[in-house]
Amino acid sequence: DSGVTQTPKHLITATGQRVTLRCSPRSGDLSVYWYQQSLDQGLQFLIQYYNGEERAKGNILERFSAQQFPDLHSELNLSSLELGDSALYFCASSHVSGSGANEQFFGPGTRLTVL
Amino acid sequence: ILNVEQSPQSLHVQEGDSTNFTCSFPSSNFYALHWYRWETAKSPEALFVMTLNGDEKKKGRISATLNTKEGYSYLYIKGSQPEDSATYLCAFNRPNSGYALNFGKGTSLLVTP
Repeated sequence: DSGVTQTPKHLITATGQRVTLRCSPRSGDLSVYWYQQSLDQGLQFLIQYYNGEERAKGNILERFSAQQFPDLHSELNLSSLELGDSALYFCASSHVSGSGANEQFFGPGTRLTVL
Repeated sequence: ILNVEQSPQSLHVQEGDSTNFTCSFPSSNFYALHWYRWETAKSPEALFVMTLNGDEKKKGRISATLNTKEGYSYLYIKGSQPEDSATYLCAFNRPNSGYALNFGKGTSLLVTP
């Protein structure tokens, strides 16, 4: 158990809908990262928050957005869903933002299926 | 865009065999190289983080080396056991990018008794 929690575990929805994925980092970790694992793709970095502020953006679509709240939990919002958004979405946390040599701890993931 | 290449894509060995995988990454503007182990139905778990050229790390039967000048890292498993079956992911990060990880597609290892 990494100490990172994600809800829900599974989500099935229809095209055009909007969903929210939730992540609680390990106690004391200030950085939260969101990754997407699609079929035949490696883990793709979407976005990072550090202590409530956006720190870095990766291959995140404009239909997707995220935020980190004062209690450090984070939410990833996916809207106008398309079939291609079906994927496993991971949240990871690390203690600090200023060192890439810190390992990231991954949550169990949310499996999103868009029908 | 993935800049990390891992080989082989998959590997099937017998219990007791030793094996190794390769990770290639861009050597310019390098900061750190990470190895993760990802078992089916679980989340990726960090094995090693390496930053210095020539770094060698070891955890039990698993070890890793790093060459930042030529941009590659090797992961070795000595005396493979069925519980080593997993996908092994390599990732690197650069400064000025929030230290997000750029992952390879992984090497899937199956160890049979």
